[in-house]
Amino acid sequence: NAGVMQNPRHLVRRRGQEARLRCSPMKGHSHVYWYRQLPEEGLKFMVYLQKENIIDESGMPKERFSAEFPKEGPSILRIQQVVRGDSAAYFCASSQEGADYEQYFGPGTRLTVT
Amino acid sequence: GQNIDQPTEMTATEGAIVQINCTYQTSGFNGLFWYQQHAGEAPTFLSYNVLDGLEEKGRFSSFLSRSKGYSYLLLKELQMKDSASYLCAVRGFSGGYNKLIFGAGTRLAVHP
Repeated sequence: NAGVMQNPRHLVRRRGQEARLRCSPMKGHSHVYWYRQLPEEGLKFMVYLQKENIIDESGMPKERFSAEFPKEGPSILRIQQVVRGDSAAYFCASSQEGADYEQYFGPGTRLTVT
Repeated sequence: GQNIDQPTEMTATEGAIVQINCTYQTSGFNGLFWYQQHAGEAPTFLSYNVLDGLEEKGRFSSFLSRSKGYSYLLLKELQMKDSASYLCAVRGFSGGYNKLIFGAGTRLAVHP
C-alpha cells in the first residue's frame, strides 16, 4: 500500500532552466495539494487540484509556475526559467474526496537552483 | 486575514515535559492540526482538534480553545528522537472549501 510518491527527491537546475516535479497520490485519492517550504520556514500552500481541475491556485506565483493533474498519470508542478529564490522543498499531499482533513504528505522534492 | 504564531525554538531535557503553544487568527475555522517534521523529511500527522478540550494520544496531547484562538501540543517523557520541528496548521473554510494554513514551526531540541 504505497503512500504518496514524489520524484525526483532532489533536483538541481541552473538559473533559466525548467523544473518538473511529479507527485503520485495514494491509491484511491483524487485530490492533490502542493506546498512549498523555504529553509527554516513552515509550509506554504501553493495549489489544490482534483483530477483534470485546478480548484485553488491562490498560492502560486502568477508567472513561471503551473500545475496539472491529468486524468491519467501523476500531478506535475512545473517551474519555468527557475531563479535562485525557487530553491526550496516542494511537498505534495493527497486526500480522498471530501476528506481534506486527512492529507498524507509525500517525501518532498528538494530543488536547488545554481 | 489568517495568522498563526508559534515559538521559533525550544529546548528541553530528555524525560521532561514540554508544551508548544500556537495562537491563530482565521476566518471559517474548521479544525487545528499538529504535525511533526524531522529535518529533511515530510510532515507526519500528530493530532487534529476541532472541538475545545484536550485530546490525548500516548505521550502526546493537544489542547484547543476556539474562543481564545489558542492551542498547545504537550509532549511527555521526552526522548531524543522527539527532536524535530512541530508545525501548527489551521484548517480554514473559504471560497467553498477548506485550506490548511501552516505556522512557521517550532524547532524542538531535546538534550540528555
